[in-house]
Amino acid sequence: DIQMTQSPSSLSASVGDRVTVTCRSSQTISSSLNWLQQRPGKAPKLLIYGASSLQSGVPSRFSGSGSGTDFTLTISSLQPEDFATYYCQQSYSIPFTFGPGTKVDIK
Amino acid sequence: QVQLQESGPGLVKPSGTLSLTCAVSGVSISSSNWWGWVRQPPGKGLEWIGEVYDGGSTNYNPSLKSRVTMSVDRSRNQFSLKLSSVTAADTAVYYCARTSQFIPFDYWGQGTLVAVSS
Repeated sequence: DIQMTQSPSSLSASVGDRVTVTCRSSQTISSSLNWLQQRPGKAPKLLIYGASSLQSGVPSRFSGSGSGTDFTLTISSLQPEDFATYYCQQSYSIPFTFGPGTKVDIK
Repeated sequence: QVQLQESGPGLVKPSGTLSLTCAVSGVSISSSNWWGWVRQPPGKGLEWIGEVYDGGSTNYNPSLKSRVTMSVDRSRNQFSLKLSSVTAADTAVYYCARTSQFIPFDYWGQGTLVAVSS
């Protein structure tokens, strides 16, 4: 199985801050990397697919980059509704695997 | 508007079989998509269980493969998950999700909590 790691595991930030979350895969996954947001008690929501493609309806303050084994999710200006847990997930090979998550909370 | 809704028992006895259904609306289940299941134990991360295609093809997580069965019911526009020989470790919120031809996991159900307990 491909192992996914994320850093940091949690972070505290203020509204308006620029936030960066990194994800690394244990082997190359090309650009088959997705980012999902999960608010407490809610289902995950797809933000970014194919490492850098913004899902329809997702605000443009979210962006993704990377390929191979190293990937980044950036929120350019954190908004109150962005406080949540973010997961990376590889869809390169089965079983699809998720990172452990990065919790973004209010500073 | 594509919508997915999970349903099934919220409590299953140990060694029993967990059975869930995901009703799909807004799109035909026979529309070249993969239909999958993901679970999340309380307070923990996400685990991919597997997926089923309209024609019946399946892909399962090897860690669960011996206990998992997924199928599609075209007449009811829904798909289902069966997980046998459950233990307390299978207690989780179970989500159904769609993977379209180019976009993975683009629609999700709200999730349903299944507890395994006697």
